[in-house]
Amino acid sequence: QQQVKQSPQSLIVQKGGISIINCAYENTAFDYFPWYQQFPGKGPALLIAIRPDVSEKKEGRFTISFNKSAKQFSLHIMDSQPGDSATYFCAASLPGGNQAGTALIFGKGTTLSVSS
Amino acid sequence: SQTIHQWPATLVQPVGSPLSLECTVEGTSNPNLYWYRQAAGRGLQLLFYSVGIGQISSEVPQNLSASRPQDRQFILSSKKLLLSDSGFYLCAWSPPGQGESPLHFGNGTRLTVT
Repeated sequence: QQQVKQSPQSLIVQKGGISIINCAYENTAFDYFPWYQQFPGKGPALLIAIRPDVSEKKEGRFTISFNKSAKQFSLHIMDSQPGDSATYFCAASLPGGNQAGTALIFGKGTTLSVSS
Repeated sequence: SQTIHQWPATLVQPVGSPLSLECTVEGTSNPNLYWYRQAAGRGLQLLFYSVGIGQISSEVPQNLSASRPQDRQFILSSKKLLLSDSGFYLCAWSPPGQGESPLHFGNGTRLTVT
């Protein structure tokens, strides 16, 4: 119940295309869903996050779509660029956010390659 | 502004040797501190977290331990490394007492146990 399942494991997209990464969860008590972006040799960094009271959040070319009834959320990268090539992690947490005991539960990651 | 420092960046250690990875945070007080391990295809696994000096909680039983001797210092240790301890170790912090504050990660230590 504490798992977050992420797919696909890897993704290749042409420059200018749309990259879509999906995540699913079981625990309906989760109330915070961030996405992290990680470049090789670096730590992950927060990209965008959403709460379940909204169905979509957009920041620039990055959009989170959230389907509460299906217990799924996804990251869409519009007009994908080679600089977007990285590993993306979805995550979820229980109420209380990052306080100890309610730390983020991460998906296994998706390696995105954007070909130029 | 807050910064997190983690070292060393890479480390190669023989099986059975001890380990000490250090993480420090600047620009904030009483942060929540975390150690994660990242293995290929397995995502980010929470190892330890701490809400204050001397307060350590373990998420995964193993031959690793963590300590927080100072408010903004978090140390990951092992007395005897195993081959299975190889991986990318990430330290992270978050502000205390807040809701959906993001985790801020260091740049990690690539540990190879030979």
